[in-house]
Amino acid sequence: RKEVEQDPGPFNVPEGATVAFNCTYSNSASQSFFWYRQDCRKEPKLLMSVYSSGNEDGRFTAQLNRASQYISLLIRDSKLSDSATYLCVVNDQAGTALIFGKGTTLSVSS
Amino acid sequence: NAGVTQTPKFRILKIGQSMTLQCTQDMNHNYMYWYRQDPGMGLKLIYYSVGAGITDKGEVPNGYNVSRSTTEDFPLRLELAAPSQTSVYFCASSADRVNGYTFGSGTRLTVV
Repeated sequence: RKEVEQDPGPFNVPEGATVAFNCTYSNSASQSFFWYRQDCRKEPKLLMSVYSSGNEDGRFTAQLNRASQYISLLIRDSKLSDSATYLCVVNDQAGTALIFGKGTTLSVSS
Repeated sequence: NAGVTQTPKFRILKIGQSMTLQCTQDMNHNYMYWYRQDPGMGLKLIYYSVGAGITDKGEVPNGYNVSRSTTEDFPLRLELAAPSQTSVYFCASSADRVNGYTFGSGTRLTVV
């Protein structure tokens, strides 16, 4: 099992749609979880941390299921500017560094 | 506040040449990292440092070396460039092991 797995997509949605991305991770000892956003030919940027109780930041909601080792990101009312690749990220077994998934590509059209 | 600064932004190397990718951060972060990203692939950790004078190998360290003489700087050295090292290289820093990273804008390296 790969360390962090994501559906690569692409997800093509119209403006205003709700879209959900899923991610699974293999290290049951992971303690830190994040979603990053990466625009084409740019560096990854932290979108939000993911907490055990779930958390929301505006139109974005992140959920964590430790028992299933599953992380999700929900985007409501999609905007054109949401078009990007979304990276699921967890810390490694030693807690030393972050492991990045390959990303899920989102394309929002008008 | 510049954050994490990487230079150069682009470089073309010939096989066998050497070069140093520079990375500087002004946030007084102890933790610094080098990742490479190949097309369609996730970021792979090359080397990391938990503080000045301390470095350690990541997942893909072969062909690279690093040093950390100061808190601010974490250069990555390629001694004998190979086509397999064609990639985008990202430097990142963090204040601790719990929070996320701040990335530099990357160096696009092509080895021909």
